[in-house]
Amino acid sequence: GESVGLHLPTLSVQEGDNSIINCAYSNSASDYFIWYKQESGKGPQFIIDIRSNMDKRQGQRVTVLLNKTVKHLSLQIAATQPGDSAVYFCALDGGGGADGLTFGKGTHLIIQP
Amino acid sequence: DTAVSQTPKYLVTQMGNDKSIKCEQNLGHDTMYWYKQDSKKFLKIMFSYNNKELIINETVPNRFSPKSPDKAHLNLHINSLELGDSAVYFCASSQRGPVSGNTIYFGEGSWLTVV
Repeated sequence: GESVGLHLPTLSVQEGDNSIINCAYSNSASDYFIWYKQESGKGPQFIIDIRSNMDKRQGQRVTVLLNKTVKHLSLQIAATQPGDSAVYFCALDGGGGADGLTFGKGTHLIIQP
Repeated sequence: DTAVSQTPKYLVTQMGNDKSIKCEQNLGHDTMYWYKQDSKKFLKIMFSYNNKELIINETVPNRFSPKSPDKAHLNLHINSLELGDSAVYFCASSQRGPVSGNTIYFGEGSWLTVV
């Protein structure tokens, strides 16, 4: 079956530094990957996505890297701000049908002033 | 306007009671979901509905039953509540397109506490 894991449950970085959150997956049939941000007391919010035919995608201060060879996904956040403090989830989609996404366990990103 | 809205946001109830959580989406999506998030923040899918048809039922006790009166609504009914049902329940919706993937949009969550 599918499994999605994260290397670190908690990541603490200084404000202004860059942060990298990692995610490993096992289902090689996954063709679509998403990063979500969940702030305290709120629902997960879409940050950025990437398809399996790409290895990098950039957004505003965020970059997602996909390495299909080792089944690894990462989220890079540049120049972190206090508002970046949240739990970040990677999620993957096996494609086809109406099945939902499979979520990783989440990484709690803490921005130190 | 809130894209995916669910009520109530907080619910405290006694064991054995029956309760419902309502959900509505105004995104025009054709698939809706219920996810459960436990105390360790782990998100697990419970149900999905596509065009009013149940697609997934992930080993959820039959005390939980989704009800979809139309494409924009997916309510969650829970019978005979147990202590272990305490969690945050998220409603969500998505629209799988030819180019975009299955991006799911979540509601703000319903915090259920069973005492």
